[in-house]
Amino acid sequence: VTLLEQNPRWRLVPRGQAVNLRCILKNSQYPWMSWYQQDLQKQLQWLFTLRSPGDKEVKSLPGADYLATRVTDTELRLQVANMSQGRTLYCTCRVTGGGQDTQYFGPGTRLLVL
Amino acid sequence: GDSVTQTEGQVALSEEDFLTIHCNYSASGYPALFWYVQYPGEGPQFLFRASRDKEKGSSRGFEATYNKETTSFHLQKASVQESDSAVYYCALGLMQQGTGSKLSFGKGAKLTVSP
Repeated sequence: VTLLEQNPRWRLVPRGQAVNLRCILKNSQYPWMSWYQQDLQKQLQWLFTLRSPGDKEVKSLPGADYLATRVTDTELRLQVANMSQGRTLYCTCRVTGGGQDTQYFGPGTRLLVL
Repeated sequence: GDSVTQTEGQVALSEEDFLTIHCNYSASGYPALFWYVQYPGEGPQFLFRASRDKEKGSSRGFEATYNKETTSFHLQKASVQESDSAVYYCALGLMQQGTGSKLSFGKGAKLTVSP
């Protein structure tokens, strides 16, 4: 069962341009949604966790600036700006109940810098 | 800070070999421990987890036992197949006040299994 949908799946980003990513959760009973980045060396790093519609956070990391927004119970967005190196962004949802407490990953959005 | 160490960057085996991928962790609290697997072009897939000392997690023939004394959660499989070729990540998860659970990942181990 696919819980998360991400779009676009990939994007070529001209240097200095921002890009907007979307993550759609197919089951609104899982409120905790997060963004992770995977760099070119395949290292995975947590970025944000947003629970409620209207929540926003910003973060600057080596190689990119991020603005995350929880739009609705089922939609999470991420704006990536000032990106100097390619990366892949994954959204996750945290599934709890029935003895489990696990994060499931979406298929990812791969960003390449032009 | 919380961290996970995976010492093997690359593992090359033949089919039916025994697999061990090492994972050690450092955490201030009592974390849950996870294994994820990632195939090319896909997101990481949850394999299994353990949340208590001496608890064994398992899935698809893979298993690992939470060891609080040695702060380890080593992945093992008795007989690997070519289809097991992928990158394997060990992760720890800690609950944080107001932000849910954040996962901290090791660097991953790329497993290549030859027929």
